[in-house]
Amino acid sequence: GEQVEQRPPHLSVREGDSAFITCTYTDPNSYYFFWYKQEPGASLQLLMKVFSSTEINEGQGFTVLLNKKDKQLSLNLTAAHPGDSAAYFCAVRNTGGADRLTFGKGTQLIIQP
Amino acid sequence: DTTVKQNPRYKLARVGKPVNLICSQTMNHDTMYWYQKKPNQAPKLLLFYYDKILNREADTFEKFQSSRPNNSFCSLYIGSAGLEYSAMYLCASSREWGDYAEQFFGPGTRLTVL
Repeated sequence: GEQVEQRPPHLSVREGDSAFITCTYTDPNSYYFFWYKQEPGASLQLLMKVFSSTEINEGQGFTVLLNKKDKQLSLNLTAAHPGDSAAYFCAVRNTGGADRLTFGKGTQLIIQP
Repeated sequence: DTTVKQNPRYKLARVGKPVNLICSQTMNHDTMYWYQKKPNQAPKLLLFYYDKILNREADTFEKFQSSRPNNSFCSLYIGSAGLEYSAMYLCASSREWGDYAEQFFGPGTRLTVL
């Protein structure tokens, strides 16, 4: 089955710097990708979802890049601020199975003032 | 209201005792899911309901049961809790079955088995 490796597990950056998180998946049939953010004590909130046909998606203060060739999904938070401190999870769905998401183990991001 | 609610938020259980966790959503979502999340591990899908049809993952088939009495509610039932069941249990729902369906998550129930 699908395996998703997320790195790094922990990341600390200064306010205003960038934070970069990557997920590498194994199933070449994976087509749909999701990034979730979880603040302490709160639910997982969807940051962005991308199709295989999308390579770069930009959100508010972040960019998601999908590299199908290397089977890699990345999240880049630009100019990080304290509100970005949270756990981030990538999730992958492939078209071969039923309605299942395979998650990465998560990245705990801390923004230092 | 796009929230998924879970009750209780914290649950303490004794080894060998049953545990029942509750999830609700008012978004009229077709599909509801239960995940188990342990520290430093990825959320792991346990089972999901598409409408009234229950799908349980093969490796946890005998450990968890569920019911969905109506569209809004879904429970997760552990018949006899073991220490290994201590974890965060996340409920989620999605509007439709399909590849691009977004899952909305609840805040989780932290289960501690002693």
